Amino acid sequence: DAGVIQSPRHEVTEMGQEVTLRCKPISGHDYLFWYRQTMMRGLELLIYFNNNVPIDDSGMPEDRFSAKMPNASFSTLKIQPSEPRDSAVYFCASSPTGELFFGEGSRLTVL
Amino acid sequence: AQSVTQPDIHITVSEGASLELRCNYSYGATPYLFWYVQSPGQGLQLLLKYFSGDTLVQGIKGFEAEFKRSQSSFNLRKPSVHWSDAAEYFCAVGTGGATNKLIFGTGTLLAVQP
Repeated sequence: DAGVIQSPRHEVTEMGQEVTLRCKPISGHDYLFWYRQTMMRGLELLIYFNNNVPIDDSGMPEDRFSAKMPNASFSTLKIQPSEPRDSAVYFCASSPTGELFFGEGSRLTVL
Repeated sequence: AQSVTQPDIHITVSEGASLELRCNYSYGATPYLFWYVQSPGQGLQLLLKYFSGDTLVQGIKGFEAEFKRSQSSFNLRKPSVHWSDAAEYFCAVGTGGATNKLIFGTGTLLAVQP
């Protein structure tokens, strides 16, 4: 099993640019989660999907953030336009039920 | 509101010493509880979980945790720490309609002295 795969692992961009983070969950997992990790706020749940349908997006900080899951094997988190305060590590996690399996994260730096 | 508190931000122990990391939760119903470990630059790895049954649960890498409902606690323990245990440890509570939705504590950073 390849685990949860995230890309890119590192992204450096300038303020105002669009950023797209990608996630491939573990096959057969019905749930997919996007978390953001910062020193100040720790791990924050942004949004999660069940069977490709967004269930709870209350953690999405602003309209600049959007997430999609067009099929069971792919999800994106998009930030447009990006701002320096969006700098963080973004984790994708998938779950069959009861526990989360995390990817290695995408470290985003917005200059 | 559901929450998780890890009162110790940073702990240093000597290699071979015992370890206990504290976790307190706030949740109205029976919680689903987890401990995850994160090494630098890595994602989070599940150490152990509690859903029901025996309140003492065993995990990977020699870790265990005990659920104490009366104290709303789920402390993580290891009898003898190895240098490779140095990492950040997160306690989490499963909440919401799906137990999969986890609320994480702020983490405890463990340093191991030789």
